[in-house]
Amino acid sequence: DAGVIQSPRHEVTEMGQEVTLRCKPISGHDYLFWYRQTMMRGLELLIYFNNNVPIDDSGMPEDRFSAKMPNASFSTLKIQPSEPRDSAVYFCASSLGGVNTEAFFGQGTRLTVV
Amino acid sequence: DAKTTQPNSMESNEEEPVHLPCNHSTISGTDYIHWYRQLPSQGPEYVIHGLTSNVNNRMASLAIAEDRKSSTLILHRATLRDAAVYYCILRRGDTDKLIFGTGTRLQVFP
Repeated sequence: DAGVIQSPRHEVTEMGQEVTLRCKPISGHDYLFWYRQTMMRGLELLIYFNNNVPIDDSGMPEDRFSAKMPNASFSTLKIQPSEPRDSAVYFCASSLGGVNTEAFFGQGTRLTVV
Repeated sequence: DAKTTQPNSMESNEEEPVHLPCNHSTISGTDYIHWYRQLPSQGPEYVIHGLTSNVNNRMASLAIAEDRKSSTLILHRATLRDAAVYYCILRRGDTDKLIFGTGTRLQVFP
């Protein structure tokens, strides 16, 4: 398997524009996590899914953020409208099971909002 | 969410063992102790995890205190490629959440 695949790797957008980040988890994994990393706040868990169902979205900062998982092989994180403070690296991770399994992370999407 | 406490930074010389400590005094019975590391400009990478017993794999060893309120990640022979931020995480048994703390930045000197 190619691992967790995120696209795009880099995104530069203007304030107010819609941004969509994409993630393809490892085949067969039933957990998917979205994280945001900044220097100030470190790695923050935004939302996670189990079997395509959102379980906990308490880390989503505002209503401008939304995430979907329409099927087991694809998830999106959307920001609309984007703001400069959304600039960060966004990571997606997947795991085969729950607490007793390891999570695999993608290479991340570096988002810059100007 | 259960909290972990780690030193901000540690240093080691190449080919020496490194012991990275972690305190997790509020751990519950179903929480697993996970360790991940993040190399510069990369996503986090799994290192090891355990529940009660000590664990070994090709990357490292995990020593868990008998009361489970602390653990130590052991790198047996540090290399320059081991320079990274190491995160000790409690993966909760009731939610399966994986919450990262601030981690320990390990520097390895030749």
